[in-house]
Amino acid sequence: EVQLVESGGGLVRPGGSLRLSCSPSGFTFNFYAFHWVRQAPGKGLEYVATIRSDGGATYYADSVKGRFSISRDNSKSTLYLQMGRLRHEDMGVYFCARDNGDPIPAFDLWGPGTPVTVSS
Amino acid sequence: DIQMTQSPSSLSASVGDRVVISCRASQNIKNYLNWYHHQPGKAPKLLIYSASSLQSGVPSRFSGSGSGTGFTLTISGLQSEDIGTYYCQQTYSDSRTFGQGTKVEIK
Repeated sequence: EVQLVESGGGLVRPGGSLRLSCSPSGFTFNFYAFHWVRQAPGKGLEYVATIRSDGGATYYADSVKGRFSISRDNSKSTLYLQMGRLRHEDMGVYFCARDNGDPIPAFDLWGPGTPVTVSS
Repeated sequence: DIQMTQSPSSLSASVGDRVVISCRASQNIKNYLNWYHHQPGKAPKLLIYSASSLQSGVPSRFSGSGSGTGFTLTISGLQSEDIGTYYCQQTYSDSRTFGQGTKVEIK
């Protein structure tokens, strides 16, 4: 079955760090760019970060730039989001999404999400 | 960043109704516009890509139109399973911003 599954979410104190993972199945991980998207409680979807298929380029939303880092290990077929200096407003459900890239970038496969709680 | 603005923010319609959701971009994004459907506790689902192309497996009652800065998503015959929130997204710029969402309920 073609799917994505996120893991690594949990409770973290303000100022702390957390690393999320996203594992695919049913398709070739190395072929695709990937993204992280989040949804704060009661809010809409918010774009977080992008990484190209070879890991050579990354992009971030201004709200996380300098605090979050997206990476991938193509040998392990795993996507990561390293989150640092966490704030209350970073709390929410984090989704990984695949980019089919053709004919235009579109997020054609999503995971069910992993929750992140930032609280003291 | 390119700003995406959807209207209305929410709507209530009857089963079988035609529903239209609008999305406006703050600058010309050509046809780099996608539509998603999201229900609580589930993964978001791609409905329309490139402004008007139907994603494989999506019912034909969904359609999209527009280019440049103005876009619409139409549901021709609302079904009970269509409840949830709809988002437009631009992928013209590297920061793939979403609209604020339109919540659809059954009357």
